[in-house]
Amino acid sequence: KAGVTQTPRYLIKTRGQQVTLSCSPISGHRSVSWYQQTPGQGLQFLFEYFSETQRNKGNFPGRFSGRQFSNSRSEMNVSTLELGDSALYLCASSLAGTGVRGQFFGPGTRLTVL
Amino acid sequence: GIQVEQSPPDLILQEGANSTLRCNFSDSVNNLQWFHQNPWGQLINLFYIPSGTKQNGRLSATTVATERYSLLYISSSQTTDSGVYFCAVERRGSQGNLIFGKGTKLSVKP
Repeated sequence: KAGVTQTPRYLIKTRGQQVTLSCSPISGHRSVSWYQQTPGQGLQFLFEYFSETQRNKGNFPGRFSGRQFSNSRSEMNVSTLELGDSALYLCASSLAGTGVRGQFFGPGTRLTVL
Repeated sequence: GIQVEQSPPDLILQEGANSTLRCNFSDSVNNLQWFHQNPWGQLINLFYIPSGTKQNGRLSATTVATERYSLLYISSSQTTDSGVYFCAVERRGSQGNLIFGKGTKLSVKP
């Protein structure tokens, strides 16, 4: 099976712009979670989607949003970018949440905000 | 919220040495995973181990859920084992939300 894929892999934006990141889960996986990794805060949970519904959300401002499509692919959007949004954004997929065999991560999208 | 503490934060080994990484968590968890983050940032699954013991080649892991800790053992370390090792837990009732420790940075010298 192909692994989790994320596009684009690298992105450079300027403050105030918006960005959309994409994640395709492993075939058959219905849950997609998103995480932000920064040197200062480490790995932090953004949100999780299952069957097109957001089930859980982390402690991030409303500028961070996401959605999931009927084929389980997911996108996350960050509006009005700030310098502090520069980070590695990772998505992970699982069968139905972490409970069965755990989450599997994609290679990440490295976002730089100038 | 649940706290996940990993120790040691940094570890330097000579090639061929053995090591033990520890993960303590502050509350009951549904699930626990160990990851290795490669230099390009990807998190590689090592173990899904909410309880018990598993082995995969030179790596093994043990989770004692009742005592709220997990151990990752690396034997006969190689330079390719270098990187950051993360423990992550999912607390009860929080689907798909892994809470990560700060990681152990391992450097294996030739």
